[in-house]
Amino acid sequence: EPEVTQTPSHQVTQMGQEVILRCVPISNHLYFYWYRQILGQKVEFLVSFYNNEISEKSEIFDDQFSVERPDGSNFTLKIRSTKLEDSAMYFCASSMTSGGANEQFFGPGTRLTVL
Amino acid sequence: GIQVEQSPPDLILQEGANSTLRCNFSDSVNNLQWFHQNPWGQLINLFYIPSGTKQNGRLSATTVATERYSLLYISSSQTTDSGVYFCAVERGGSEKLVFGKGTKLTVNP
Repeated sequence: EPEVTQTPSHQVTQMGQEVILRCVPISNHLYFYWYRQILGQKVEFLVSFYNNEISEKSEIFDDQFSVERPDGSNFTLKIRSTKLEDSAMYFCASSMTSGGANEQFFGPGTRLTVL
Repeated sequence: GIQVEQSPPDLILQEGANSTLRCNFSDSVNNLQWFHQNPWGQLINLFYIPSGTKQNGRLSATTVATERYSLLYISSSQTTDSGVYFCAVERGGSEKLVFGKGTKLTVNP
């Protein structure tokens, strides 16, 4: 069964460093998403991406964050100059369509720890 | 924005018991999904159920869209059912899933 994959599973970084989280969405999906979950809290939407551009973003997704689809399979989230409060689980998701029948499938997550 | 409320926040069961988890939402939705977050933090898709009833083994779900709620039923619970159950909805005109705070289920042997 096709699944969303994410690398790395864990990432530890120093405050102020840049990190890139990587995702491989399900191959025939067209919509891609990033969500995050701070420990013990609910999952929050960051950004959606379609046709090589951001289609929706939350207020969390400020200039510190960027997304890219560098090739036909990968989808990345870059966090510049990480802060302590960026420590969280980051989930990538993908879906075939948007609106209507739009089941989103989630990857296993990358646990980011900022020291 | 749309509000998603889940109840109860915590639930402790003995193995073999049945349970019902509830998700209320404040506006009409195009999409509703139930997830199980396992102890490793992974989000496992349980149901895509914007309306109607679905069953998958010991789990079933019902969404009454007109009354803005969804129920997740777990029958004959097992210790492996432990974890946090999230409801998430997508409102028309938006692509994002809005999650509730979850129900933490503990099934004791």
